[in-house]
Amino acid sequence: AQKITQTQPGMFVQEKEAVTLDCTYDTSDQSYGLFWYKQPSSGEMIFLIYQGSYDEQNATEGRYSLNFQKARKSANLVISASQLGDSAMYFCAMREAPHQTGANNLFFGTGTRLTVIP
Amino acid sequence: DAGITQSPRHKVTETGTPVTLRCHQTENHRYMYWYRQDPGHGLRLIHYSYGVKDTDKGEVSDGYSVSRSKTEDFLLTLESATSSQTSVYFCAISESSGEYNEQFFGPGTRLTVL
Repeated sequence: AQKITQTQPGMFVQEKEAVTLDCTYDTSDQSYGLFWYKQPSSGEMIFLIYQGSYDEQNATEGRYSLNFQKARKSANLVISASQLGDSAMYFCAMREAPHQTGANNLFFGTGTRLTVIP
Repeated sequence: DAGITQSPRHKVTETGTPVTLRCHQTENHRYMYWYRQDPGHGLRLIHYSYGVKDTDKGEVSDGYSVSRSKTEDFLLTLESATSSQTSVYFCAISESSGEYNEQFFGPGTRLTVL
């Protein structure tokens, strides 16, 4: 079973509007974390926002917020006031409880390509 | 930006040849990871390292080996490259274990196996 599911291969949003990118996850761990990364056309992976499973409040970072619904196992990314530079691929990722080595391996979804329309 | 470099950035090779990709960090982070990115799959973990000479397998480790002889360098080797290993390879680093452990990614290496 997929640990991370992103059901929107592509999304369009008008400049200055808000957009929500969907992410659902599957884990039996009590301790886990959820990440969103942005990958522009240049190819680098840029960290956007993090939500821990025990965090009671939704994470926010500037124009990015994470709509965390634990019971539904969803961690949607909300981008407010979209800008042309937001056009990119967006990946949701999850880390489960750390290995005994301490490593935190990430499981990624297949991504959503966001296009911001002027 | 985290100091992570990958070399080479692009490589074209032929089936059956050995290939080594290098990840170099200047952050002195303990953990290093190799991922591959393929359309329709996102990023998948190949191998990771939790210290010098300490490595373990990830989700898609078949056909790959790794080595870490120094904190700053993590090598990924394809002993005999196959066309199915055509991909973009990303190295990532993280400082410590614990609940919040952001991974910083290198710029990626595009590998084409003909």
